[in-house]
Amino acid sequence: DQQVKQNSPSLSVQEGRISILNCDYTNSMFDYFLWYKKYPAEGPTFLISISSIKDKNEDGRFTVFLNKSAKHLSLHIVPSQPGDSAVYFCAASEGGNKLTFGTGTQLKVEL
Amino acid sequence: GAVVSQHPSWVICKSGTSVKIECRSLDFQATTMFWYRQFPKQSLMLMATSNEGSKATYEQGVEKDKFLINHASLTLSTLTVTSAHPEDSSFYICSASGPGFSGKIYEQYFGPGTRLTVT
Repeated sequence: DQQVKQNSPSLSVQEGRISILNCDYTNSMFDYFLWYKKYPAEGPTFLISISSIKDKNEDGRFTVFLNKSAKHLSLHIVPSQPGDSAVYFCAASEGGNKLTFGTGTQLKVEL
Repeated sequence: GAVVSQHPSWVICKSGTSVKIECRSLDFQATTMFWYRQFPKQSLMLMATSNEGSKATYEQGVEKDKFLINHASLTLSTLTVTSAHPEDSSFYICSASGPGFSGKIYEQYFGPGTRLTVT
């Protein structure tokens, strides 16, 4: 049972444009959501997070939006840069430090 | 800071043998370490949570006798896959958190992962 889903395995965006990565979840008890970035041969690194009591969190070029009624969150990267090319995982937590990960989206930012 | 290493980065072993994977926190004391498994094009699945000096807590469906976890020190946790079979072939990744951190969920620092292939 995949509680966190990233339905787009890959996304290609031109440099300078907006990248939008999507994530859906089924467990309404999730109360904290995170995005991780992963380069090949490296572990995931934390990018940005949002609590379920908020609907938006912004950090520089990265903004995460949460739509609780739709059980959907998205990560916006503006402007996209070639160095943003990586696999992005969304993750969710229910009241503790156990994380449930999505399957990841490979982002490719082209020149 | 907050660097986590894993060794080996990849390993090939024969069916029926055991393989040990090490996870080290290089510049902090990791009171809690997590072990994940990732199949191709699938999520990172939490296998177990280990606290230094105590037994690991395994997730439902994970065989604790097959995946032995030891967290004997504040900088080292090991995962031993016993009597490995081809279906154990996967990408194993650890993460670590420590007492100096705020305890927030995202303050898990991940290792680079270990690719295990069982022939």
